[in-house]
Amino acid sequence: AQRVTQPEKLLSVFKGAPVELKCNYSYSGSPELFWYVQYSRQRLQLLLRHISRESIKGFTADLNKGETSFHLKKPFAQEEDSAMYYCALSGGYAGGTSYGKLTFGQGTILTVHP
Amino acid sequence: NAGVMQNPRHLVRRRGQEARLRCSPMKGHSHVYWYRQLPEEGLKFMVYLQKENIIDESGMPKERFSAEFPKEGPSILRIQQVVRGDSAAYFCASSTEEVGQETQYFGPGTRLLVL
Repeated sequence: AQRVTQPEKLLSVFKGAPVELKCNYSYSGSPELFWYVQYSRQRLQLLLRHISRESIKGFTADLNKGETSFHLKKPFAQEEDSAMYYCALSGGYAGGTSYGKLTFGQGTILTVHP
Repeated sequence: NAGVMQNPRHLVRRRGQEARLRCSPMKGHSHVYWYRQLPEEGLKFMVYLQKENIIDESGMPKERFSAEFPKEGPSILRIQQVVRGDSAAYFCASSTEEVGQETQYFGPGTRLLVL
């Protein structure tokens, strides 16, 4: 069974401070991991995926298979980063083909104070 | 490209009525996923469809829920004889079938309230 755990429901930091949103996963195969973000009154949108190894809006996330973690980090938080963040894992097979059924964590609400 | 469209955005039903939720995927996308978000919880996978086929419905409740994605028109999630516990936000996502391009794009959701 696959599972994603985001231990922090709420996270508050001040502008300019580093931020780390934690994500741990459980999956028997080779996972594909994502961070999605939902800003106020907007739809859920992809922030980054581990295979692309990109930095989006200053955020990075490294897959640590030993610790089964995919923590999201940003060195200097901005007020506009305030949002709900979801970690998600892709895994699922139909007819021998992998597809993108997503398992989500419960989300972390990040608040960046001025 | 207008993105994934869902309607209605808000739906109120009384217990025992039927709810129909529609999802129009992004242009060029042939894969549709439905997720449900209960209050205070994360999104939970319900069903994965391709045109005219249900690929995986392992997250669908066994009774009262059904989904389709016809050759023409939007994908429909249908809930018969709704109960209060069906109150939730229902999100649809779509993706292409191109390998390596499976990023799911989400709609704004339909918020169902059962009175």
